[in-house]
Amino acid sequence: EPEVTQTPSHQVTQMGQEVILRCVPISNHLYFYWYRQILGQKVEFLVSFYNNEISEKSEIFDDQFSVERPDGSNFTLKIRSTKLEDSAMYFCASRADPNYGYTFGSGTRLTVV
Amino acid sequence: KNQVEQSPQSLIILEGKNCTLQCNYTVSPFSNLRWYKQDTGRGPVSLTIMTFSENTKSNGRYTATLDADTKQSSLHITASQLSDSASYICVVRDSNYQLIWGAGTKLIIKP
Repeated sequence: EPEVTQTPSHQVTQMGQEVILRCVPISNHLYFYWYRQILGQKVEFLVSFYNNEISEKSEIFDDQFSVERPDGSNFTLKIRSTKLEDSAMYFCASRADPNYGYTFGSGTRLTVV
Repeated sequence: KNQVEQSPQSLIILEGKNCTLQCNYTVSPFSNLRWYKQDTGRGPVSLTIMTFSENTKSNGRYTATLDADTKQSSLHITASQLSDSASYICVVRDSNYQLIWGAGTKLIIKP
């Protein structure tokens, strides 16, 4: 069964550093998403991406964050100048159509120290 | 305000027993309701998706119900197994494609 692949599975970074989280969505999917989940809390929407541009973003997704689809397969989330409160699981998701279900990746656990 | 509330917050049952998890929502306009299973440290995996007109949907030992009038859903797990230990999250989508996430029910199955 097709999967959404995320790398790395765990990233530790120092406060103030930049990190790039990588995702390979399912190949025929057109809609891409980033979510995050702080330990013990609800899943939170960050951003949706379609047709090479951001279609929607949440209040969390401020200037510190950016997304990119650098080629036909990867979808990245960049976090600039990381803060302690950025520590969370970051999930990438994709789907073929807005009426279809989401397929989530296994997540990247980001720890900012 | 659009909200999804789940109960109980956590639940411990013995292997082989059945259980029912609850989800109440205030999302309007409603498009569909999804139940996800999330293993610790993993991404959510879809169990069921139900639209307004569907009352019951099964996926193996998982059966979801939906009462769109009372805005309530339940997830029933039959003959629980140790591998059912996970968080079960109720997610409601409105007609603007927004997903409203519940906080989840943490289910622990004990041998």
